[in-house]
Parts: sequence; structure tokens; C-alpha cells
Amino acid sequence: VQLVESGGDLVQPGESLRLSCAVSGLSIRDHYLSWVRQAPGKGLEWVAVVYSGGSTDSADSVKGRFTISRDNGNLYLQMNSLRQEDTAVYFCATQRGYFSPFDYWGQGTQVTVSS
Amino acid sequence: EIVLTQSPATLSLSPGERATLSCRASEAIGNNIAWYQQKPGQAPRLLIYAATTRVTGIPARFSGSGFGTDFTLTISSLQSEDFSFYYCQQSSDWPPLTFGGGTKLE
Repeated sequence: VQLVESGGDLVQPGESLRLSCAVSGLSIRDHYLSWVRQAPGKGLEWVAVVYSGGSTDSADSVKGRFTISRDNGNLYLQMNSLRQEDTAVYFCATQRGYFSPFDYWGQGTQVTVSS
Repeated sequence: EIVLTQSPATLSLSPGERATLSCRASEAIGNNIAWYQQKPGQAPRLLIYAATTRVTGIPARFSGSGFGTDFTLTISSLQSEDFSFYYCQQSSDWPPLTFGGGTKLE
């Protein structure tokens, strides 16, 4: 199993960015796929999930601004109206089901929001 | 939202010593807790899930215990590569999925 994120960049507040995660070695339609972020020097924060059935959920801190989606072998995070507090390393990660842990992680992609 | 509180924030020990890391949940979560190790610049690595089950390939010196609200990760005899950050995470009642604030083992 391999997860490879891309799309991180330096952007200004209010701008948009789209992250991608290429997933290989497992069927993304049989797993839950999430984005988890880590601000500089801080802990881990769950951002959003797409369930195996295709429905989605997100954290209150990003609701209305971030949209998670998937297609064949790829996970995406569309981030709009970015804020300085969204600055973080963004990881994609997989779960086998609702009570499962995150068993596979990507290496992360850096998003910096600054004027 | 289920809040996970990890203690201590920093644990200072020496190689060969025993490490005990704690994670307390704000409400009962059964055994739906996982532990991760994270080294600087790397992704988290799953160590323990379902409170007590060690992932294949994780050394036997790592063990997990607990049920309900209080959980412990124990490293029986510290090796140099164990000095790192450790996070607990619950998957009992979500969204949101939540993590503890972390313990730095130095």
C-alpha cells in the first residue's frame, strides 16, 4: 500500500488550493479515506473523511470551506477561503472501517497560508 | 466530541528504563483506542489498536492496556529509536475523530 500526497504550496489568505493523494495497493471504495493535518509544532487534527460508500464528513473548523472527494485511486481536498490557521502538513490516511485505526499514511504535503 | 488527554506532556527517561504513557478519554470509548509513534518530519506509524493489539512488526516491548476511559501505552525497556512523540486516537464515536495532544518521550 502506498499513499502519495501532492499539491501543497504557499498561498495568501483567502486563496484556494487542491491537494491530491494517489492511493495504490488497496481499493479506495473498500476503505475510509481521511485527511489529517498537523500545524507546526502541534499535534494531529482530523480534517475530513470520505466513507467507503462515498458520503463525507468534516471537522467544524473546515466545514463550508474544505471539500473532500475521491475518484479512481485518488483522494482530493479542495480548500477554499484559506486562513493562516490552516497552515499545516496535510496527511492522507486510510481506515478499514468505522472503529478502525489509521493503518496507512502518506508522507504529507506542506500547506502554508501567509501574506 | 470526545476529548483525549495525554499525560505527561514530556517524559524524560534513559535507555533501558520503562516508559508509561497515559491517555484519558472524556467519556467511555470501550477499547476503541489506537496509539501512534511519530518522529520529526515523518508520518505517524500505527503501533497498537483496539487498546491492546500490537501491529505486526512492532516490537514486543510495546504494549497497550485499558478499557473505558483510561488507557496506557507501555514500553518495557527503552531503546534509542523509541525516543519520539506518541499520540492516542479514538474511533469510538465520531465524527470528529480525535487525537490526544501527544507525549514527547525524550
